[in-house]
Amino acid sequence: DAGVIQSPRHEVTEMGQEVTLRCKPISGHNSLFWYRQTMMRGLELLIYFNNNVPIDDSGMPEDRFSAKMPNASFSTLKIQPSEPRDSAVYFCASSPTPGTRGGAGELFFGEGSRLTVL
Amino acid sequence: GDSVTQMEGPVTLSEEAFLTINCTYTATGYPSLFWYVQYPGEGLQLLLKATKADDKGSNKGFEATYRKETTSFHLEKGSVQVSDSAVYFCALYYGGSQGNLIFGKGTKLSVKP
Repeated sequence: DAGVIQSPRHEVTEMGQEVTLRCKPISGHNSLFWYRQTMMRGLELLIYFNNNVPIDDSGMPEDRFSAKMPNASFSTLKIQPSEPRDSAVYFCASSPTPGTRGGAGELFFGEGSRLTVL
Repeated sequence: GDSVTQMEGPVTLSEEAFLTINCTYTATGYPSLFWYVQYPGEGLQLLLKATKADDKGSNKGFEATYRKETTSFHLEKGSVQVSDSAVYFCALYYGGSQGNLIFGKGTKLSVKP
């Protein structure tokens, strides 16, 4: 089975540019998560969706960040305009409804998108 | 609120050494506990879990026991290998929606041949 697929794997851009990160969750999973990982702050939950609906976006740093999930098989995280402090690895993860194909708290992560903003 | 505290790293061991990575938690209810592992250049993956007190999770030679009396879930392995070099995250799920998963800060393990 295909896992969570993220693109691009690496992105280098200049300050002020728009960045769009993409995620395809595992088929049949109904929850999707966006995390950011940095050395300084560790792993931070930015936003998560349940059945394509944003449930909690309290982790989104500021208005420059936005996330969408137009359907069950695709999500985007957009940063506009980007800043050097946004440099990080961004992970997408998905999970099934607890009790179906996985237990509660079991997330399946993609390989991440490493963003460098110069 | 609920939280997870794990020992700071990095931890450096020689091959075949015994590993312990400490994890303690604070929770008002009865959470499920997890260890996730992140190998270099990859995303996190579930290593093992325990859903109630005294449960032992195990996988790939790693073990952790859910200790309610000490609010701990320490990760152990009897003989580590170079391939175990990774970052290990303790996590707590306190019920409700899938978003209620709290990760510790991670402990980096390096195993030398």
